[in-house]
Amino acid sequence: GESVGLHLPTLSVQEGDNSIINCAYSNSASDYFIWYKQESGKGPQFIIDIRSNMDKRQGQRVTVLLNKTVKHLSLQIAATQPGDSAVYFCAELPRGDDKIIFGKGTRLHILP
Amino acid sequence: DTGVSQNPRHKITKRGQNVTFRCDPISEHNRLYWYRQTLGQGPEFLTYFQNEAQLEKSRLLSDRFSAERPKGSFSTLEIQRTEQGDSAMYLCATRSTGLRPDTQYFGPGTRLTVL
Repeated sequence: GESVGLHLPTLSVQEGDNSIINCAYSNSASDYFIWYKQESGKGPQFIIDIRSNMDKRQGQRVTVLLNKTVKHLSLQIAATQPGDSAVYFCAELPRGDDKIIFGKGTRLHILP
Repeated sequence: DTGVSQNPRHKITKRGQNVTFRCDPISEHNRLYWYRQTLGQGPEFLTYFQNEAQLEKSRLLSDRFSAERPKGSFSTLEIQRTEQGDSAMYLCATRSTGLRPDTQYFGPGTRLTVL
């Protein structure tokens, strides 16, 4: 199948282990920070978001952490499964704006 | 499947030809966005509509690009006189203004290859 990104940083994780994907953002005025999952041949799929006034948010098997001091965002995936293989993008939505700004992607590779 | 559909899924064309892509949104979504994604990069915003009004265009949208949403439902993106640099995935996303602003649902994209 077609590849979303050929020269992306890759994180290889053993199936069942936890994955941590990191991202640095640039705009201090962003209101929302978002993680997307993109599988080959598909559009980005919303995973979880966090508002700028929060530090942590949990979803089903995923946790997003926001450190505004160092402008860092992370996505933690618990008990990584083969279906988690994809490219993950962090993104931000500036306050008062309506266009999502995507960061660099990370390819998550699950080892059997 | 998010409910946003795009056609065609793949388009191969020769340099200099015109191409048109279509996006059908989730029916109650009044905002519609176009993004472009090149290999190895995240999507980049091109333009967006509220109903039939085009509210914002990126500097990436050269005068060879035109987008329309004539009845506030489906949208088309046309590229005239295609260049090899136009090769990319063109993504459509939609949302309702009643939802959080980051709740954009993406379609599967149209992969354009310009030879």
